[in-house]
Amino acid sequence: KAGVTQTPRYLIKTRGQQVTLSCSPISGHRSVSWYQQTPGQGLQFLFEYFSETQRNKGNFPGRFSGRQFSNSRSEMNVSTLELGDSALYLCASSLSGTNTDTQYFGPGTRLTVL
Amino acid sequence: AQSVTQLGSHVSVSEGALVLLRCNYSSSVPPYLFWYVQYPNQGLQLLLKYTTGATLVKGINGFEAEFKKSETSFHLTKPSAHMSDAAEYFCAVSDRGSTLGRLYFGRGTQLTVWP
Repeated sequence: KAGVTQTPRYLIKTRGQQVTLSCSPISGHRSVSWYQQTPGQGLQFLFEYFSETQRNKGNFPGRFSGRQFSNSRSEMNVSTLELGDSALYLCASSLSGTNTDTQYFGPGTRLTVL
Repeated sequence: AQSVTQLGSHVSVSEGALVLLRCNYSSSVPPYLFWYVQYPNQGLQLLLKYTTGATLVKGINGFEAEFKKSETSFHLTKPSAHMSDAAEYFCAVSDRGSTLGRLYFGRGTQLTVWP
């Protein structure tokens, strides 16, 4: 089975721009979660989608948004980029997104904001 | 919110030596517990998890961890380190009181293995 794929792998943007990141989960997985990884804050949960619905959201400003499509693929969008948004954004998929499910992570998208 | 503490942001061992990476959680109700490994420029890979049953959990690559409720700990061990074990290791928990699988991560421990 193919793993979780994320595109693009690297992205450079300037302050004020917006960006869209894409995640394709493992086939059959219906839950997709997004995490932000930075040296300063570590790994932080952004949000989780299941069957096209956001079920859970972390403590991030409204500039961070996401969506999930009927094929379980997910996108996250960051508007009005700030320097502090530079991070590795990781997508994880699981069968049903429960608290005992194993989450399988993609390689991440490295976003640099200049 | 859950809180996870990993003691030691950097651990160095010689090849063949015991690996011990520490993880403690803070919640009064024991959460579900996970260990992930991250190699450079890669995502996270699950090493092992504890949800129920035997408190000593065996994972991939020779790693194991033991859930100790009295110590609120879930330390990761490997009897003999290999050069390929050099990576960053993350302890994570999910809330037993919620059905949703949000993970709370520790700050990570960078493992260096010397030849």
